[in-house]
Amino acid sequence: DARVTQTPRHKVTEMGQEVTMRCQPILGHNTVFWYRQTMMQGLELLAYFRNRAPLDDSGMPKDRFSAEMPDATLATLKIQPSEPRDSAVYFCASGFTGGNYGYTFGSGTRLTVV
Amino acid sequence: GENVEQHPSTLSVQEGDSAVIKCTYSDSASNYFPWYKQELGKGPQLIIDIRSNVGEKKDQRIAVTLNKTAKHFSLHITETQPEDSAVYFCAAHTGGFKTIFGAGTRLFVKA
Repeated sequence: DARVTQTPRHKVTEMGQEVTMRCQPILGHNTVFWYRQTMMQGLELLAYFRNRAPLDDSGMPKDRFSAEMPDATLATLKIQPSEPRDSAVYFCASGFTGGNYGYTFGSGTRLTVV
Repeated sequence: GENVEQHPSTLSVQEGDSAVIKCTYSDSASNYFPWYKQELGKGPQLIIDIRSNVGEKKDQRIAVTLNKTAKHFSLHITETQPEDSAVYFCAAHTGGFKTIFGAGTRLFVKA
């Protein structure tokens, strides 16, 4: 089965440090999403890309979060500087244009900022 | 923008019973409604979906219904099993690039 691969699976870092999360979408999918999941907020859309171009990142705190897609096989989400309130599970998902075929999610990166 | 409400937030059923999760959406332009199942420690997984030109779809023990007039859709699980225990998310998609998720329903199936 085709899979979305996320690394690392777990990350513990100190407040103020930079965090980089990586995602390898399914080959051929042209849309990539970053979601954040917390107990209180459910699945929160942070950013998404179509054909590697950022379409919407309005869900991200701009001063500290950035999302890029340097090539079709890699998407990154960076937090600099990290804060304890950033602790959550971050999911990457990929799919086809239009979204009428559902998304495939990765297993997530569990981030803990202490 | 689109808003999706999901109920109940928690559902507990006895093994073998049926479970129903209901969602409502606000944007009448929504045309695609997927359902995801999330098991502990994993990402959400698409389990069934329905498009706006269809009123009902079934896949073994799970079925989805859609009422476009009322703007609500439901997930039905029959003959529940312990392995059905998970968090279920409904979602609505308007044909652009955004899918809006409901808040999730935690389903417990008691053996």
